[in-house]
Amino acid sequence: EVQLLESGGGLVQPGGSLRLSCAASGFTFTNYAMTWVRQAPGKGLEWVSVISVSGDFTYYTDSVKGRFTISRDNSKNTLYLQMNSLRAEDTAVYYCAKGVGSYGSGNYHDYWGQGILVTVSS
Amino acid sequence: DIQLTQSPSFLSASVGDRVTITCRASQGISSYLAWYQQKPGKAPKFLIYAASTLQSGVPSRFSGSGSGTEFTLTISSLQPEDFATYYCQQLNSYPFTFGQGTRLEIK
Repeated sequence: EVQLLESGGGLVQPGGSLRLSCAASGFTFTNYAMTWVRQAPGKGLEWVSVISVSGDFTYYTDSVKGRFTISRDNSKNTLYLQMNSLRAEDTAVYYCAKGVGSYGSGNYHDYWGQGILVTVSS
Repeated sequence: DIQLTQSPSFLSASVGDRVTITCRASQGISSYLAWYQQKPGKAPKFLIYAASTLQSGVPSRFSGSGSGTEFTLTISSLQPEDFATYYCQQLNSYPFTFGQGTRLEIK
């Protein structure tokens, strides 16, 4: 059974940092790209970032470029999202999602974690 | 970035009704479109990929169609468990944007 378990969320002040983790199990982690998607309270889904199987290729939505860094540790089957210079508008539930392939077009998100809340507030 | 516009944003329907949700892309995305269902407090559920292919385990009352810039999600006979918010997503080019969502409520 595929399982994705996010951790590391919480309350942080504006300008602060947080690192999210997503522990994966039930599939061969090294075969699939991984993605972060977020959802602000009461709002829709926003695609955030993707990383290829080897970590060589990454992409970010414009609003987080230069502030967020996606990475993965294939030896630990874990995906990360390092979030720096956090803003109030980054407040959201963050989901990690498994891709159906290595990277690129058509890499659908077939499994999702339960989500973790990040609140940016003073 | 490719923008997706869903219509309607809100839909009120009854059990047994047939409903259709439309998703329009700001530029052609071939058939790289997915549909998700989300219930309050839960993660999105993957329903349809490649515009029209049902994910394993998804009931056959769900169907998708379209290519290029216009796509539809149809539920042929609404069941109580179908009342939720539905999102389309394009996976043609990064960033893989979502539509704004369609909230389907019980009439």
